[in-house]
Amino acid sequence: QSVLTQPPSVSGAPGQRVTISCTGSSSNIGAGFDVHWYQQLPGTAPKLLIFGNSSRPSGVPDRFSGSKSGTSASLAITGLQAEDETDYYCQSYDSSLSGWVFGGGTKLTVL
Amino acid sequence: EVQLVQSGAEVKKPGESLKISCKGSGYIFTNYWIGWVRQMPGKGLEWMGIIYPADSDTRYSPSFEGQVTISVDESISTAYLQWSSLMASDTAMYYCARLSGYDLGSYYFGYWGQGTLVSVSS
Repeated sequence: QSVLTQPPSVSGAPGQRVTISCTGSSSNIGAGFDVHWYQQLPGTAPKLLIFGNSSRPSGVPDRFSGSKSGTSASLAITGLQAEDETDYYCQSYDSSLSGWVFGGGTKLTVL
Repeated sequence: EVQLVQSGAEVKKPGESLKISCKGSGYIFTNYWIGWVRQMPGKGLEWMGIIYPADSDTRYSPSFEGQVTISVDESISTAYLQWSSLMASDTAMYYCARLSGYDLGSYYFGYWGQGTLVSVSS
């Protein structure tokens, strides 16, 4: 059971917009700690997608965006492409655990 | 260019010891925390611990405290993750990653190594 809760799977058709939620609690997201997102292609290391709730590293397309409100955060992907079909993870800091926590991961399927 | 290069895959038996490595380059190694993340087969990411190379300050996840040891040799810009007695349940991919951020509560894993696959079986 992950401290941050993500839906196991989401799907969307090419060109559509999808969102992936990340629900935490008052000891992590709700405490004001930043949320970050990673994309993990099959057989490769995770790659930073969004940091500081909504900032994109250089090279990440602006089709990817992040937001945070209360005890939850979301990753939005617009103009869905076949290459977006992979796993996505959220991450934050938890003051109760005094450490960093990941969501359980969400598999995005492009229909 | 920031790079983290990890040691190669390992095949071990239960009860054996193991030390895997992560060599950083392209940045000032002592200025950034290095973390280790486990990914069991078909599962998600789990934070194991972090170390600050400048003073070896180390923090462990409660789930991994006492199970592994994280260390660093700043003279060769290398961080290590070691086990004294492996179990079959340690079979996983292990990633090192460099942390970035302005304080511990904002830190994220900005650069990742390629991963080291550890297989433990009798």
